[in-house]
Amino acid sequence: EAQVTQNPRYLITVTGKKLTVTCSQNMNHEYMSWYRQDPGLGLRQIYYSMNVEVTDKGDVPEGYKVSRKEKRNFPLILESPSPNQTSLYFCASSFTGPYNEQFFGPGTRLTVL
Amino acid sequence: DAKTTQPTSMDCAEGRAANLPCNHSTISGNEYVYWYRQIHSQGPQYIIHGLKNNETNEMASLIITEDRKSSTLILPHATLRDTAVYYCIVRDYAGKSTFGDGTTLTVKP
Repeated sequence: EAQVTQNPRYLITVTGKKLTVTCSQNMNHEYMSWYRQDPGLGLRQIYYSMNVEVTDKGDVPEGYKVSRKEKRNFPLILESPSPNQTSLYFCASSFTGPYNEQFFGPGTRLTVL
Repeated sequence: DAKTTQPTSMDCAEGRAANLPCNHSTISGNEYVYWYRQIHSQGPQYIIHGLKNNETNEMASLIITEDRKSSTLILPHATLRDTAVYYCIVRDYAGKSTFGDGTTLTVKP
């Protein structure tokens, strides 16, 4: 089944403890992206990647890192999480080009205490 | 970067057409308009997209004004299962995607 998977789906952690949220897709998509969603708001783009070893900042990149060493994986790294990074995170992927729809993962709900 | 503006909420009677507007007055020539919907906190689901021509698929129609500053998503025969938050998005060639805050559509029996 074609899909985008995220792990973990739920995570509660404490301030300053490094964490990684994984994202993987099996559709051979070049493009991948991370978003965060806060209550009552739309999704805001954190980082995106047009292909392996190519990443760019979205609208809210502060406090996050990403890497794209393989086509299928795009992990999101929080080196020192803070409570304001408590949010619902979505990973998405698509073929290159704005005319190709993005497929979204199921989301990761992160709570930073 | 283009921004999108949507009404916060709308109601629609079951079986009637739902027309959801979106303003994207700062859209540039190579940016596409996308519509997604989200039920509860699930991952957004793709509905339709377009550049400048009107588009139709099995789910919906997309009407984009000639100046491309606004668009309307039309669900021709809304059902209770169409109750969701609908997002209008602008996406460019570089990969940047800008979401609006969404319209909560409630379909009523």
